[in-house]
Amino acid sequence: DIQMTQSPSSLSASVGDRVTITCRASQTISRYLNWYQQKPGKAPKLLIYAASTLQSGVPSRFSGSGSGTDFTLTISSLQPEDFATYYCHQSYSTPLTFGGGTKVEIK
Amino acid sequence: QVQLVESGGGVVQPGRSLRLSCAASGFTFSIYGMHWVRQAPGKGLEWVTTISYDGIHKDYADSVKGRFTISRDNSMNTLYLQMNSLRAEDTAVYYCAKKRNGTYLEPADYWGQGILVTVSS
Repeated sequence: DIQMTQSPSSLSASVGDRVTITCRASQTISRYLNWYQQKPGKAPKLLIYAASTLQSGVPSRFSGSGSGTDFTLTISSLQPEDFATYYCHQSYSTPLTFGGGTKVEIK
Repeated sequence: QVQLVESGGGVVQPGRSLRLSCAASGFTFSIYGMHWVRQAPGKGLEWVTTISYDGIHKDYADSVKGRFTISRDNSMNTLYLQMNSLRAEDTAVYYCAKKRNGTYLEPADYWGQGILVTVSS
């Protein structure tokens, strides 16, 4: 199974900050890496697929990069509505797996 | 607009069975594969199973293999998850989710609101 390791597991940031979350796969997954945002009590929302493609309707302050085993999600200027938990997810092979999540909290 | 509505959850005793349904609307259900993903209380996301658009190809997480069965009825625009031999560790919110496009292992772009399954005596 491909293990997905996210870091940090949580972070505190202020509105306007640049935030970077990293995700490492235990083996190469090419660019089959996706990012989700989840708010409490809500379903996850797809932000980025194929490592760097922004899902329709997602603000351009979100961006993704990476390939192989190392990936990043960047929020260029954190907004109040961005406080949430973020998950990376590999769709390279089954079993599909998620990272443990990164909780972004208000500083 | 895309809507996915799960039903069939609730409290069930260990060892018993439950069937979840997911009613789909707002898109052509018969041309998209689907996933079930679950989330235990206070925990992260766990992929459970996936099915191809035509119901022929299926994959399962090891944790549910042999106990859970995914199926679909394209004439009824409905996805199912038959859960047998339930365990306490199956307690979670279960989400059905639509794949982004026709590729088998595509990520999900739309999710239902989730349905809680509690396995407890």
